[in-house]
Amino acid sequence: DSGVTQTPKHLITATGQRVTLRCSPRSGDLSVYWYQQSLDQGLQFLIQYYNGEERAKGNILERFSAQQFPDLHSELNLSSLELGDSALYFCASTRAGANVLTFGAGSRLTVL
Amino acid sequence: ELKVEQNPLFLSMQEGKNYTIYCNYSTTSDRLYWYRQDPGKSLESLFVLLSNGAVKQEGRLMASLDTKARLSTLHITAAVHDLSATYFCAVDTPNSGYALNFGKGTSLLVTP
Repeated sequence: DSGVTQTPKHLITATGQRVTLRCSPRSGDLSVYWYQQSLDQGLQFLIQYYNGEERAKGNILERFSAQQFPDLHSELNLSSLELGDSALYFCASTRAGANVLTFGAGSRLTVL
Repeated sequence: ELKVEQNPLFLSMQEGKNYTIYCNYSTTSDRLYWYRQDPGKSLESLFVLLSNGAVKQEGRLMASLDTKARLSTLHITAAVHDLSATYFCAVDTPNSGYALNFGKGTSLLVTP
């Protein structure tokens, strides 16, 4: 157990729908990163939050959004889902000043 | 655009043999990370290389970094089946919140 908790582990939904993925970082970690892993794109950085504020954006689609709450947990919202959004979504956390990301177990999203 | 290239992408090797995975990157960076991922699982941090000439070893794996050549290597000594996994190298991006930019991964299969 890495200490980074992601829910749900698996999610199956239909095209056009909206889902929310949740992440609780390790105790004491202020930074949360979201990544998407798919066979064709590999591991893609989506977005980072630090202590409640958006810090950096990667290849995140406009249909996707995220936020980090005062208790430091984060949610990734995916809307108007398409077949190509099927992927493993990872959350990772790190402490301030450290760059070693600790990854959660991931949420596997299947869009039918 | 930052590029991180690994080769080979697929590697099948016999138990007891040695081999090296290469990671080239396109930016000036002093920090290079190696992660391991088992099928369907999360990413586990293996090594963090923080300066030119850094070398780290853990069991049968040894990683090194040459920042001048923008090259890191992951050397496998006397491979065993338990090392079968996908290995990723990554470079952090200071202007993107230090998010890790990953290579495509090297899928390693160790056979008897």
